[in-house]
Amino acid sequence: ETGVTQSPTHLIKTRGQQVTLRCSSQSGHNTVSWYQQALGQGPQFIFQYYREEENGRGNFPPRFSGLQFPNYSSELNVNALELDDSALYLCASSLRQGDNSPLHFGNGTRLTVT
Amino acid sequence: AQSVTQPDIHITVSEGASLELRCNYSYGATPYLFWYVQSPGQGLQLLLKYFSGDTLVQGIKGFEAEFKRSQSSFNLRKPSVHWSDAAEYFCAVANMDSNYQLIWGAGTKLIIKP
Repeated sequence: ETGVTQSPTHLIKTRGQQVTLRCSSQSGHNTVSWYQQALGQGPQFIFQYYREEENGRGNFPPRFSGLQFPNYSSELNVNALELDDSALYLCASSLRQGDNSPLHFGNGTRLTVT
Repeated sequence: AQSVTQPDIHITVSEGASLELRCNYSYGATPYLFWYVQSPGQGLQLLLKYFSGDTLVQGIKGFEAEFKRSQSSFNLRKPSVHWSDAAEYFCAVANMDSNYQLIWGAGTKLIIKP
């Protein structure tokens, strides 16, 4: 069974640039959630994708967007990067949407915006 | 609004000593509660969860947690810690109004003294 994998592991970008982060969900999981974890804080929910549709969104601006592909892998895109976007971005997959299936997390992508 | 509070930012215990990490939640109905652990450079791993039934929940790695509705608490315990338990621990509650997305505490960093 393959777990959740994220790429890249680390990334450095300049303010104003755009970034794409990638996530492969665990085998058999059809739901992917993205979280932002700033240093010293708990994760904050960005959005969730289920069967290629956005299905729930946290308090993040529209410059945070995403995609889910037919194989259930997912991308997180962030436009017009700001210094405060520096964080660990975590992807989590789960078995199905809208219930209490436990989340399985990847190791995250560490984004630094300078 | 739902929230999770972990009052202790850091806790230091000696190897072999007992451990209790505190978690308080704010939620109107019966909550779905979780404890996750995050080792440095790693994603989040589920330790245990409470949905209903027995209020004392057993998890992996020898951890347990007790749900106390009267105190709105879900404290994590371990009778004897090992150096490998040094990590950050997060308590979370599922937001059932938003596809069970997790609302997280800020985490407690566990430091083990030799």
